[in-house]
Amino acid sequence: DTEVTQTPKHLVMGMTNKKSLKCEQHMGHRAMYWYKQKAKKPPELMFVYSYEKLSINESVPSRFSPECPNSSLLNLHLHALQPEDSALYLCASSRSGLPSTDTQYFGPGTRLTVL
Amino acid sequence: ELKVEQNPLFLSMQEGKNYTIYCNYSTTSDRLYWYRQDPGKSLESLFVLLSNGAVKQEGRLMASLDTKARLSTLHITAAVHDLSATYFCAVVSNYQLIWGAGTKLIIKP
Repeated sequence: DTEVTQTPKHLVMGMTNKKSLKCEQHMGHRAMYWYKQKAKKPPELMFVYSYEKLSINESVPSRFSPECPNSSLLNLHLHALQPEDSALYLCASSRSGLPSTDTQYFGPGTRLTVL
Repeated sequence: ELKVEQNPLFLSMQEGKNYTIYCNYSTTSDRLYWYRQDPGKSLESLFVLLSNGAVKQEGRLMASLDTKARLSTLHITAAVHDLSATYFCAVVSNYQLIWGAGTKLIIKP
């Protein structure tokens, strides 16, 4: 089973709202990632958790707040977003914790629209 | 800083034809990935290439790696409409993936 699941599939929120994106994997992978992807662009790395600890934060604005409650779950808390934050948010996982060059398996993504 | 260049960025072709997508990268890396993305969908891992001269094939797709030239190719043989998608190469640098811009491939029946 190489499945990463993400909820919700679609999310529309106002700039004053607080919402959360959820990602789950049951493959025993030890690294989990959040990416942001704008239309017609490659994914941009936001955060990496390795062994449930935040290992990489790519200078992401504080209105995005990641959380890793356990080895299978990854959340992305959203607050006071801007319209330019509208994008596809992808979660991925890989077998080994960092440092790792293992294949990353991606979830289906959450399409976020900020009004 | 490693940079990854793909070309072409857009390719429209007829079914049954052969074509090649190129991925150049600027500094040494020991691993290169090819991913496929359908419109509005997620990324699917196609190939991982680990060493110089590596060649992998899956159906009508074949990927190769020349680490000396810092070049990978994704060759499409006798294209079919189902292969229409955007294809990304990604190179490992400092344990992160550095992505090419993607090649949007449209295959017309």
